[in-house]
Amino acid sequence: NAGVTQTPKFQVLKTGQSMTLQCAQDMNHEYMSWYRQDPGMGLRLIHYSVGAGITDQGEVPNGYNVSRSTTEDFPLRLLSAAPSQTSVYFCASSLGRVAPLHFGNGTRLTVT
Amino acid sequence: KNQVEQSPQSLIILEGKNCTLQCNYTVSPFSNLRWYKQDTGRGPVSLTIMTFSENTKSNGRYTATLDADTKQSSLHITASQLSDSASYICVVSDRGSTLGRLYFGRGTQLTVWP
Repeated sequence: NAGVTQTPKFQVLKTGQSMTLQCAQDMNHEYMSWYRQDPGMGLRLIHYSVGAGITDQGEVPNGYNVSRSTTEDFPLRLLSAAPSQTSVYFCASSLGRVAPLHFGNGTRLTVT
Repeated sequence: KNQVEQSPQSLIILEGKNCTLQCNYTVSPFSNLRWYKQDTGRGPVSLTIMTFSENTKSNGRYTATLDADTKQSSLHITASQLSDSASYICVVSDRGSTLGRLYFGRGTQLTVWP
């Protein structure tokens, strides 16, 4: 069981470039979500999914897109990177509403 | 406004000592409260989840308490070890949506010195 796997671990982008952060889980969890973590702030929800084909916006969705074509994968797309998107991004999955979140080890993104 | 406040912001203790971290919240309607441990460079890992009816839950040397009336929780660490050095995050969930909106505290950074 690998749990939640995020790739890449590190990424540097120039302003305006696009990229996709990958997230995969092998626990058959229906719920998956993306968070960003900035210094001095709590984790903030970007987008989430309650099952394949179903996604919704979180607290800070602007500039990001998601899709969920399979239970296992939940990629996060940056459409046109901006310096304000410099952050550490975490993907998480869970069995349900009261179940614990299982986090990946993050992608550290720098936008110059 | 739904908020989660943690104190202290940072804490340094000597190995073998006990410590208590605090979490106050204003989230309503309340569903559950979670404590996570986040090692540097890693994702958070769940320590405990408590619902309204639970007022104490233990996970090894970690004991969480919940007072839903005063909207306060604490995480007590017994006989600290160097590996306890980490950020401890309090998370409160509401009952207002399918997934349950999660409100994250900013964390308490614990450093254990030998």
